Formats: sequence, C-alpha cells, structure tokens
Amino acid sequence: SAVISQKPSRDICQRGTSLTIQCQVDSQVTMMFWYRQQPGQSLTLIATANQGSEATYESGFVIDKFPISRPNLTFSTLTVSNMSPEDSSIYLCSVGTSGGALTDTQYFGPGTRLTVL
Amino acid sequence: QKEVEQDPGPLSVPEGAIVSLNCTYSNSAFQYFMWYRQYSRKGPELLMYTYSSGNKEDGRFTAQVDKSSKYISLFIRDSQPSDSATYLCAMNGGGSNYKLTFGKGTLLTVNP
Repeated sequence: SAVISQKPSRDICQRGTSLTIQCQVDSQVTMMFWYRQQPGQSLTLIATANQGSEATYESGFVIDKFPISRPNLTFSTLTVSNMSPEDSSIYLCSVGTSGGALTDTQYFGPGTRLTVL
Repeated sequence: QKEVEQDPGPLSVPEGAIVSLNCTYSNSAFQYFMWYRQYSRKGPELLMYTYSSGNKEDGRFTAQVDKSSKYISLFIRDSQPSDSATYLCAMNGGGSNYKLTFGKGTLLTVNP
C-alpha cells in the first residue's frame, strides 16, 4: 500500500486566515482526493486533485474557498481560505489504489486536524 | 433516505466476543464494498475490500455482502482491546464510478 504523509498534523488558526495542507505520497499515483471529516459525520469528498489540470470539486465546495494544487504525481496541496469556525474539521488526502486513472478503493493519509478560533 | 446507513453505536463488548458491524445502502449500482478502521486521531486504514456479493475472510475478520438485501457486514472474531476504533463502511460502483460513499462509522470499544 502507498505511504501517505500530511503536513501539518494539526493547527489552530484565527478566523479570516488561510492554511495550506500538504499531502505527499511515496509512489506515483494518478488519483488523489481531498476529504473533510467533521465530528459525527461521514467523510465528505471535497475534490479530486488532477495532475496538470484544475481540480474537480464536489457540490458545495468551490475553488475560491478550497484551492488545490497538484504539481506532480506524488504531491498535492489543499488550502482552506478565509477560515471561519465552521471550517474546523479533519482534512484527509487519499490516493487511488490502482495504478491507472480508474480506481476502486483508496488509501488515506493520517489527516490534518484544524481548529479555527 | 441516506445512501449509506450505519449505526454509530457506541458498541462496547468484552474481550473475546464476536462483533458484528453492519451497513445498509440504497444505491444498487454499488459493486465494491470496503471496511476502514480508524483509530482516534489517525486516518482511516483499509481493512477489508470485497467485490459484489459473498464472503471474504482475513484472519479474525470476515466481510459479508448481500446485494439482494443491500446489506453488508463485518464480523470480528475473538475481539481484542486493540480492535477498539471507529469502523467505517464505504462503497462505490467501480470503474468510472470511483467516488466512495461512506457510512458515519461505528465506534467500537473492546474491554479487557
């Protein structure tokens, strides 16, 4: 399985600021994803990070609020912009398990625990 | 009706018990079914992965899928305190329908 790391592991931020979360994988992968996990809720997909093109966002998530970069096949960043307390959550990146563009399941990183005051 | 329903628990059992965790779903297009284990303050870890209906066994863990009833289960035999975690079911249609739909997770505590 792929080894995935995230930075930072946790952070406490002030309202109105932005935080960039990094996701690094130890092998090249086609599919990378960003999720949010709020207390008592299911994991919610924010977007699919596409290498060399814009990310594909899910309903309810927009690029201005959650800009994503994917400069190569092992790295991606998610920025949470103009934060409010409602953005307090765990943010997770994941990668598809198959080597190609289509994937059936995913491996997850350790997560970034964000608290916004 | 949510696409995936999972009883959040919490579920508390004594060490050595057999644990049964379940999810129901409504989307008949789902073909791939997964169970993830998530320890506190960690990311989800892929535990079991099953395609279509049937059983799959891996050590103390058995995953069952009944597509006719839209019902999946994870059984843990001889449960251990180290099994204490939140268990999440997830599923997708496979191929181009790769997006995972998750249950809310069931919090399990195994007491020594």
